[in-house]
Amino acid sequence: NAGVTQTPKFRILKIGQSMTLQCTQDMNHNYMYWYRQDPGMGLKLIYYSVGAGITDKGEVPNGYNVSRSTTEDFPLRLELAAPSQTSVYFCASSYNRQATVSGNTIYFGEGSWLTVV
Amino acid sequence: GESVGLHLPTLSVQEGDNSIINCAYSNSASDYFIWYKQESGKGPQFIIDIRSNMDKRQGQRVTVLLNKTVKHLSLQIAATQPGDSAVYFCAEIVGRGSGNTGKLIFGQGTTLQVKP
Repeated sequence: NAGVTQTPKFRILKIGQSMTLQCTQDMNHNYMYWYRQDPGMGLKLIYYSVGAGITDKGEVPNGYNVSRSTTEDFPLRLELAAPSQTSVYFCASSYNRQATVSGNTIYFGEGSWLTVV
Repeated sequence: GESVGLHLPTLSVQEGDNSIINCAYSNSASDYFIWYKQESGKGPQFIIDIRSNMDKRQGQRVTVLLNKTVKHLSLQIAATQPGDSAVYFCAEIVGRGSGNTGKLIFGQGTTLQVKP
């Protein structure tokens, strides 16, 4: 059981380049999330998904796109990288056996460090 | 020692003392309130949560208090240890009951420094 796996762990992008951050979970979780965390700041929700085929915007969705074609995968795409997107990105997932997401049902990946220069 | 969340981002306490970390939340319709611990270079680690129909919940060395009247959440750590040094975030899950969206929103965070 690998939990929530994010790749790559580190990446340097040039302004205007595009890339996809991969997130996969093997726990059959319905809910998946993408967050970004700037230095010394809290985590901001970019996008989340409550199940395959369903995605919703979070607090800071501009400049990002997501898809959820399978339960396991929730990739985050940056189309035109900008220096403001330099951040640490965390993917998370949750199950809802009782139709309620609570604190101890949410699992985080180890993070992806992205620098845009 | 005690913090007031956004206005005091760093809390410094002596080893063995009790710590109180505070958080103000904005959404009165949230179902769960959660405290996370984040160590340098790692993802958030779940500490304890409390449901909106409760006022207090205790764990191992930690207690979470919820004051819905003033939308205030606090984390109390008893006998603070050097291993407790980290950034602590409050978070809330938006929506209640059948309206639980699963949408997890984080607060700003407080850095806890434990002096030996």
